[in-house]
Amino acid sequence: AQKVTQAQTEISVVEKEDVTLDCVYETRDTTYYLFWYKQPPSGELVFLIRRNSFDEQNEISGRYSWNFQKSTSSFNFTITASQVVDSAVYFCALSEAKVKAAGNKLTFGGGTRVLVKP
Amino acid sequence: DSGVTQTPKHLITATGQRVTLRCSPRSGDLSVYWYQQSLDQGLQFLIQYYNGEERAKGNILERFSAQQFPDLHSELNLSSLELGDSALYFCASSGRPKDGYYGYTFGSGTRLTVV
Repeated sequence: AQKVTQAQTEISVVEKEDVTLDCVYETRDTTYYLFWYKQPPSGELVFLIRRNSFDEQNEISGRYSWNFQKSTSSFNFTITASQVVDSAVYFCALSEAKVKAAGNKLTFGGGTRVLVKP
Repeated sequence: DSGVTQTPKHLITATGQRVTLRCSPRSGDLSVYWYQQSLDQGLQFLIQYYNGEERAKGNILERFSAQQFPDLHSELNLSSLELGDSALYFCASSGRPKDGYYGYTFGSGTRLTVV
């Protein structure tokens, strides 16, 4: 069975501070995908990144960066120089990567609420 | 616009009632997934349909059922509603694998409030 744990339920920072969101996962699959989604107050799920388990390169996209460490089963997300617009709930998710025509479900962590104060 | 359409966006109903949530997948996608986001259970997978057939089942209550129609749209039926069924219900769709990945797109959700 798959499991995703986001131990931080809520993080509050002041604008321009960096914030790191932790994600730890469990899976028996040898290949899998990891995801991060953002859910702003409006409620929709906004896709941020997908990472394949065999690609352990860290990634940076603007103020966002991701640190994937297979040895510790972690896929952490850092927002650099946070802004008020980053206030949202962030979800880490996992799916198996076995290619099936029907596709695979996502298993989500409990989410971390980030509050960026001006 | 993600390409996945969910209707209605909001729904308020009384306990004991039955409602139907609708989802139209992104054009060309054959798989539809339903997820429930509630305050106490987080984001949970409910059920998946692929080209009209049920493919995977998660933590879906017996009072809930779903189906996917020949035009590939899907409906999630919730009956004998309880206060605890109040949640945000998401639909997602996925398509044929490309470069080893099948894609995954979420709709904007239906917010159900049971009073």
